[in-house]
Amino acid sequence: DAMVIQNPRYQVTQFGKPVTLSCSQTLNHNVMYWYQQKSSQAPKLLFHYYDKDFNNEADTPDNFQSRRPNTSFCFLDIRSPGLGDTAMYLCATSSRLYQETQYFGPGTRLLVL
Amino acid sequence: DQQVKQNSPSLSVQEGRISILNCDYTNSMFDYFLWYKKYPAEGPTFLISISSIKDKNEDGRFTVFLNKSAKHLSLHIVPSQPGDSAVYFCAASAPSGTYKYIFGTGTRLKVLA
Repeated sequence: DAMVIQNPRYQVTQFGKPVTLSCSQTLNHNVMYWYQQKSSQAPKLLFHYYDKDFNNEADTPDNFQSRRPNTSFCFLDIRSPGLGDTAMYLCATSSRLYQETQYFGPGTRLLVL
Repeated sequence: DQQVKQNSPSLSVQEGRISILNCDYTNSMFDYFLWYKKYPAEGPTFLISISSIKDKNEDGRFTVFLNKSAKHLSLHIVPSQPGDSAVYFCAASAPSGTYKYIFGTGTRLKVLA
């Protein structure tokens, strides 16, 4: 039973063409996270939502935005993708912040040409 | 500046033997540590965690050891099985008031039958 679902699994976009990645969860968790993982690097947190409260990491580029219309869904919008945004994007959820297990989706592999 | 380091990108072990995966950290404020396992085309899945008040936590074939003075943790898998072949990430978080997990770059474990 899929708990954290990400769509699409693979996305190819052109330089500068906006793209939206989707994440949904069946766990009813309060917190949803977006991570970026580039090849051979550690997953890097971009931002998270605690309920409707949005928290951006200080080093997340302005090009990256997020929306959470309801508990189950969260979107990652990349307004003008650059070649350096080619990466795996992982969505995760947890019931609370701090010392909570995060449950990850399978990721969306984004290729910017 | 990478605060969580997994210096071995890959490790090969014979089936039935012990696998030891290592992780070093630089921030002495980290007080909670986790290991995640990732199969290809899937998201990371939680494996085991340890709080800084302990030096060992065991769950079946998996044991995590924490050496706070050395800022080092290790994951032991005994006995190793071919199904354990995956990428293993360690992650750390700092005390209350923060929520963020800092991940290492991962170690690819291959268990040879």
